[in-house]
Amino acid sequence: GESVGLHLPTLSVQEGDNSIINCAYSNSASDYFIWYKQESGKGPQFIIDIRSNMDKRQGQRVTVLLNKTVKHLSLQIAATQPGDSAVYFCAEPGQNFVFGPGTRLSVLP
Amino acid sequence: SQTIHQWPATLVQPVGSPLSLECTVEGTSNPNLYWYRQAAGRGLQLLFYSVGIGQISSEVPQNLSASRPQDRQFILSSKKLLLSDSGFYLCAWRGVSYNSPLHFGNGTRLTVT
Repeated sequence: GESVGLHLPTLSVQEGDNSIINCAYSNSASDYFIWYKQESGKGPQFIIDIRSNMDKRQGQRVTVLLNKTVKHLSLQIAATQPGDSAVYFCAEPGQNFVFGPGTRLSVLP
Repeated sequence: SQTIHQWPATLVQPVGSPLSLECTVEGTSNPNLYWYRQAAGRGLQLLFYSVGIGQISSEVPQNLSASRPQDRQFILSSKKLLLSDSGFYLCAWRGVSYNSPLHFGNGTRLTVT
């Protein structure tokens, strides 16, 4: 199946700053995308999702943006906190539910 | 509410020994079930998925097998473990719609010595 990739493998952000994690997808027919957060030693946790009929969706301190023209997805975290340190995956659900390689977010004190 | 249980949390096994990891889901019926493996510092590799009892799709040829003896039970097995089988194994479920999120268990850390 189609896979979803990430632009940056690691990202270091100062505490309190905003974080932006990017993701490129290859299947132009995809109509649903999900962001997951995985803390060390734990399973990935659902953060937020977005359907292709939307360009933007906001949650608590997180915003996902979808640009279907360039097949690009981003996760924005406002006022990044130490607890946000984790690996973030974007995913394009299909029958096989393939994940991208992930971005490690490190929050600096 | 739905919950997913995966055990054991950690496991150390010698090379050549058998393996059985179990995953069960509660609070839902006819879930799609998945097994993933994650090497240290790496992404998620899909191993198997199942859309129903006795229906298993394998994504990666390997030393492992999966079975689904009951609707909400998914088992990952091996007859003889290899060193390369070490990793973090994750079970996940979702509803029948492909446009729905996966829900993961807490994983099993397997070390083959």
